[in-house]
Amino acid sequence: SQQGEEDPQALSIQEGENATMNCSYKTSINNLQWYRQNSGRGLVHLILIRSNEREKHSGRLRVTLDTSKKSSSLLITASRAADTASYFCATDGNNAGNMLTFGGGTRLMVKP
Amino acid sequence: DTEVTQTPKHLVMGMTNKKSLKCEQHMGHRAMYWYKQKAKKPPELMFVYSYEKLSINESVPSRFSPECPNSSLLNLHLHALQPEDSALYLCASSGGALETQYFGPGTRLLVL
Repeated sequence: SQQGEEDPQALSIQEGENATMNCSYKTSINNLQWYRQNSGRGLVHLILIRSNEREKHSGRLRVTLDTSKKSSSLLITASRAADTASYFCATDGNNAGNMLTFGGGTRLMVKP
Repeated sequence: DTEVTQTPKHLVMGMTNKKSLKCEQHMGHRAMYWYKQKAKKPPELMFVYSYEKLSINESVPSRFSPECPNSSLLNLHLHALQPEDSALYLCASSGGALETQYFGPGTRLLVL
C-alpha cells in the first residue's frame, strides 16, 4: 500500500531556480528518506531524516520533517538540467522490519 | 564497493517460459529486497530477505519465487508470468532495519 503522497506530481522549472517537493504520510515513522530515479533506472538514496530531526542539509538539498503534520519537503536549490529525474519519499512506517513504502513521486524537469 | 548489480538488464519472455533474475551485492548487507515498478509509479515491495531468510512476502503470486543462496546473492525465479507482470524489477540491499537501501539498476521485463 502507498504510505506517502507527493505533490506536485510533476514540476517543470528553469535551470537555476529552486525546486520544492512535498511528501505526506499516514502512520508514525522512525525515519523518512528521499530517493532519486533517473528514467528507467535504479533509485539513488539522497538523504535520510530521522523522526527526531526537523531539518537536514546535504549539498544543494534541504529536507524538512514535520511529524505533527506527517509531512516532509525536499528543496533543491540552484537546480541544474542534470537534476531532471523522479523524486520519491519513502517511510518505514515505524515497523520493526525492513519495509520501505514509497510515495507516488514527483517528476522534475529542469530546462536548460 | 557500494554497488548492487542486477542481471539481465532486459528480459523478454513468453508466458510459458521459466527465467531467473539475479542480484548481487558485496557490501556485507544482511537485508535484500525485490521491488516491482510499473511506469510512472513508485516501487512496490515484493519480498524482503533478512540474514538469508525470507522475512516479508507482500502477498506476491506464486509465479514469482525468490531465493537467497547466500548473503551476497538474491534470485527471483519467474514461471508462467502474465503480460501484466511486465515491469522494472529492482533489487536493493541494506545493512539492516531502518537503514538506507542501495538499489541496483533494475531488470526491465517484458512478458509476451
